[in-house]
Amino acid sequence: AQSVTQLDSHVSVSEGTPVLLRCNYSSSYSPSLFWYVQHPNKGLQLLLKYTSAATLVKGINGFEAEFKKSETSFHLTKPSAHMSDAAEYFCVVRLYSSASKIIFGSGTRLSIRP
Amino acid sequence: DGGITQSPKYLFRKEGQNVTLSCEQNLNHDAMYWYRQDPGQGLRLIYYSQIVNDFQKGDIAEGYSVSREKKESFPLTVTSAQKNPTAFYLCASSGDRYNEKLFFGSGTQLSVL
Repeated sequence: AQSVTQLDSHVSVSEGTPVLLRCNYSSSYSPSLFWYVQHPNKGLQLLLKYTSAATLVKGINGFEAEFKKSETSFHLTKPSAHMSDAAEYFCVVRLYSSASKIIFGSGTRLSIRP
Repeated sequence: DGGITQSPKYLFRKEGQNVTLSCEQNLNHDAMYWYRQDPGQGLRLIYYSQIVNDFQKGDIAEGYSVSREKKESFPLTVTSAQKNPTAFYLCASSGDRYNEKLFFGSGTQLSVL
């Protein structure tokens, strides 16, 4: 089965410390991978996407993600958390085995402690 | 401006009633999607369509139906068979290149009376 798994439902870090949000995917084909962010009562915003040009992808607001095919992972990181990063983060997989199916992970809620 | 329009913003359903959520896009996208979002949960795929007159079931299609008669429109019907319809429904569209992002509507909140 093709799927995407976000390993942590909730991550809490102190302001100024690194952030790691984990995502693993399962796909018979090489997928397209994305991270989206949803701030409270706001719409979904694209953070970054994997295009196969480079395994390390830089996104907005200082976030980046590394595609590791051997580990089937696409973890999201940020060197230093800011209070404004508190939000829900979704790892998203676009599958090409079946007419462009796009599936979301269950989400990781990121909390930032002052 | 190009975008996706969902209507209505709020919708109430009575027991045994079918209701239809509208989704229209003027982005000339081939692919369209319906997702359901419940509090504290991710987005779950209900139906998706790659092309006019064709659509596929997503992971939670039971109790829902769709049509794709026009490229611009992808309405979702929540039938009486859907026993737990209260949720936030998001429509999205995308270009057909493998790395194109999703564009989202503003959503419809459906509640049961």
